[in-house]
Amino acid sequence: RKEVEQDPGPFNVPEGATVAFNCTYSNSASQSFFWYRQDCRKEPKLLMSVYSSGNEDGRFTAQLNRASQYISLLIRDSKLSDSATYLCVVFNAGNNRKLIWGLGTSLAVNP
Amino acid sequence: DVKVTQSSRYLVKRTGEKVFLECVQDMDHENMFWYRQDPGLGLRLIYFSYDVKMKEKGDIPEGYSVSREKKERFSLILESASTNQTSMYLCASRRGVRGIYNEQFFGPGTRLTVL
Repeated sequence: RKEVEQDPGPFNVPEGATVAFNCTYSNSASQSFFWYRQDCRKEPKLLMSVYSSGNEDGRFTAQLNRASQYISLLIRDSKLSDSATYLCVVFNAGNNRKLIWGLGTSLAVNP
Repeated sequence: DVKVTQSSRYLVKRTGEKVFLECVQDMDHENMFWYRQDPGLGLRLIYFSYDVKMKEKGDIPEGYSVSREKKERFSLILESASTNQTSMYLCASRRGVRGIYNEQFFGPGTRLTVL
């Protein structure tokens, strides 16, 4: 089983739609969680960290469910510019302090 | 603005050549990383370094070596390039102390083709 798993998609949604991605992780000792965004042929960039209490940044909401070992990302009122691959990332300071990367979920927002 | 720069955006080399990929960061970060990214395989960690002169093998170190003589610079070396090392190579840096939520910053990537 992969340490971090995501549905690769692609998710095709119309502008204005709400879309949600889930990501599951296998190591219950994982300590911190992130969503990164990667545009085509570009480097990944941090979208948001995912805190235990959940957090929101504009149209983006991230949630953590430790009991079920998954994190989620909700995008409201999708824009064309949201089209990208969304990477789920997990950190465990005991695991040689490496970030563990999911393979990504591809989102295409259509006009 | 944090900057991670890589020496080349595109590189074409021949099988058997020795290849150097250079990465420089300007934020005094302790940790630096080299990944390769291939379609369907995602980001795979090749080597990483906690601090100057330190290095650790990642998940796919075979065929690669690294050098970190200065804190800001982390070099990836392909001793004898092979066609299966054709890939996108991404360098990253991250503050290594105080904080499990420290962000990892990436360079723009080097697309290496080995003929």
